[in-house]
Amino acid sequence: KAGVTQTPRYLIKTRGQQVTLSCSPISGHRSVSWYQQTPGQGLQFLFEYFSETQRNKGNFPGRFSGRQFSNSRSEMNVSTLELGDSALYLCASSLDVTGSGTEAFFGQGTRLTVV
Amino acid sequence: AQSVAQPEDQVNVAEGNPLTVKCTYSVSGNPYLFWYVQYPNRGLQFLLKYITGDNLVKGSYGFEAEFNKSQTSFHLKKPSALVSDSALYFCAVRSHNAGNNRKLIWGLGTSLAVNP
Repeated sequence: KAGVTQTPRYLIKTRGQQVTLSCSPISGHRSVSWYQQTPGQGLQFLFEYFSETQRNKGNFPGRFSGRQFSNSRSEMNVSTLELGDSALYLCASSLDVTGSGTEAFFGQGTRLTVV
Repeated sequence: AQSVAQPEDQVNVAEGNPLTVKCTYSVSGNPYLFWYVQYPNRGLQFLLKYITGDNLVKGSYGFEAEFNKSQTSFHLKKPSALVSDSALYFCAVRSHNAGNNRKLIWGLGTSLAVNP
């Protein structure tokens, strides 16, 4: 069974630009969560989608948005990039929503560098 | 406030010795607790979880963790460390918010170095 696939693996963008990251979950998984990982802040929850609906959202500005498609693939978008958005963005898929206690399977992440 | 603490940024242990990576939590209600491991340039991998039942949970790669309700702890342990266990370890707890507004709260991670 294929794992969670995130594309692209690496991105370099300029301040003010926007970026779209993609995540393909494990087949059969309907929940996709997104996290931002930085050395000083650890893993910060961005949002969770389940069956195309946003179930939960973290404390990030509105520049961060996401969506989920009918095949459970998910995208997240960051508009008006800032230097502080440089981070590893991780996608995690699971069979059920986080609240159920089901474990998550993570992709390798997209390393975003904003210059 | 709901939180997870991993009090040690780094743990060093000799190969063959037992290892412990500490985690304490603060959430209301019954916690769902998780351990994940992250190898360099990789995503996180699930190790084990506690939902209910036996306080001693066994997981992948010979790891286990003990849920201690009175001490609000969920320490990760392994009887005999391997050099290949060197990685970043994360503890997480499911928040206990009403309705659907539940998410995982993560510790900042503990870097484990196993020396040959």
